[in-house]
Amino acid sequence: SAVISQKPSRDICQRGTSLTIQCQVDSQVTMMFWYRQQPGQSLTLIATANQGSEATYESGFVIDKFPISRPNLTFSTLTVSNMSPEDSSIYLCSVDLVRNTQYFGPGTRLTVL
Amino acid sequence: ELKVEQNPLFLSMQEGKNYTIYCNYSTTSDRLYWYRQDPGKSLESLFVLLSNGAVKQEGRLMASLDTKARLSTLHITAAVHDLSATYFCAVPRLKTSYDKVIFGPGTSLSVIP
Repeated sequence: SAVISQKPSRDICQRGTSLTIQCQVDSQVTMMFWYRQQPGQSLTLIATANQGSEATYESGFVIDKFPISRPNLTFSTLTVSNMSPEDSSIYLCSVDLVRNTQYFGPGTRLTVL
Repeated sequence: ELKVEQNPLFLSMQEGKNYTIYCNYSTTSDRLYWYRQDPGKSLESLFVLLSNGAVKQEGRLMASLDTKARLSTLHITAAVHDLSATYFCAVPRLKTSYDKVIFGPGTSLSVIP
């Protein structure tokens, strides 16, 4: 398994501001994933982050709104830009350590006022 | 487009009873994942089912996969309160890449004394 940490664990932000979420893994991984879980909903993949290349975004998500960095094999950031109340969600990062399952971070609970 | 459905979405059951959660999906896949999420927590991997006919058991939970029927079941035996959580199944979007998965809507299970 993997130890995955996320910062911050929760935040309350004002409309129009941006928040950067950090994801740290205790081992080197090729792929990291960012998910959004809106209140009471399932998980939706935002993007896949590979080290050394641009992130790949899923339909409905764009780089201007959710810029992602992947500076090395153990770390990634997701920024939620120009936030609105609709962005209030839990944001989770995950890694695919062994090619059979994904391990999830503890999540960042974001509330936008 | 891959769609993953779960049935039921909400389940309230008494301690000691048995029940089955169903997960069906719309396109061919030879593997499926089950996750558990406690309120306010991240996701925990429960089972990885890698082939047709795969059956895995952990405590009071048993999962199976029928790839021909595109159906997986999560059977709960003699439920206890500690099993109260939301259970998600997830299916890889592409047969050639097992990294990107589509999650079902989740089954919220409440076990009552």
